[in-house]
Amino acid sequence: EPEVTQTPSHQVTQMGQEVILRCVPISNHLYFYWYRQILGQKVEFLVSFYNNEISEKSEIFDDQFSVERPDGSNFTLKIRSTKLEDSAMYFCAHSGDTYEQYFGPGTRLTVT
Amino acid sequence: RKEVEQDPGPFNVPEGATVAFNCTYSNSASQSFFWYRQDCRKEPKLLMSVYSSGNEDGRFTAQLNRASQYISLLIRDSKLSDSATYLCVVMDSSYKLIFGSGTRLLVRP
Repeated sequence: EPEVTQTPSHQVTQMGQEVILRCVPISNHLYFYWYRQILGQKVEFLVSFYNNEISEKSEIFDDQFSVERPDGSNFTLKIRSTKLEDSAMYFCAHSGDTYEQYFGPGTRLTVT
Repeated sequence: RKEVEQDPGPFNVPEGATVAFNCTYSNSASQSFFWYRQDCRKEPKLLMSVYSSGNEDGRFTAQLNRASQYISLLIRDSKLSDSATYLCVVMDSSYKLIFGSGTRLLVRP
């Protein structure tokens, strides 16, 4: 399965700052997802995105979070005002014609 | 009850052993089922989808029992490189993945 790239690999930010995490999926995939994994915990769904619209979001995905596909290729997750508890690995995932989802290498976000 | 439940392990087995992992899920409307493996601080990697008829991929065999809401993964002839955390994953009706907490496998020489 072709790879998805994510940038940056590691982001350190201060509490209250905005961060933008980027994902570059394969252009012919239609479905995109963001998940997060707090250290030592399970992977949790944040949001799914189809045809340039949010199709589903979890209760974690509150007003502080937003997703965009600004230029038709990059897929971004923005956290407007980071909190300490936002520290986690953030994974972008994609799927095509099948239900199988493939994950990018992740961005480790550290909020201090 | 947790949505997807797994024994956290660790399972510590010698090379060449056969090891089985089990998983239960709570939502009977779940659509699709998967096993992923995750190495330390890496992304989950899809190991295999799980079908009602059962499926095999080399040394790996997955089984699904919808009536009991139970999924299993069998690894035969385990290798050192199989050491990882194995994630049982269920897809719900809105296509989001629900992960178990994972079962850790350590294969020793």
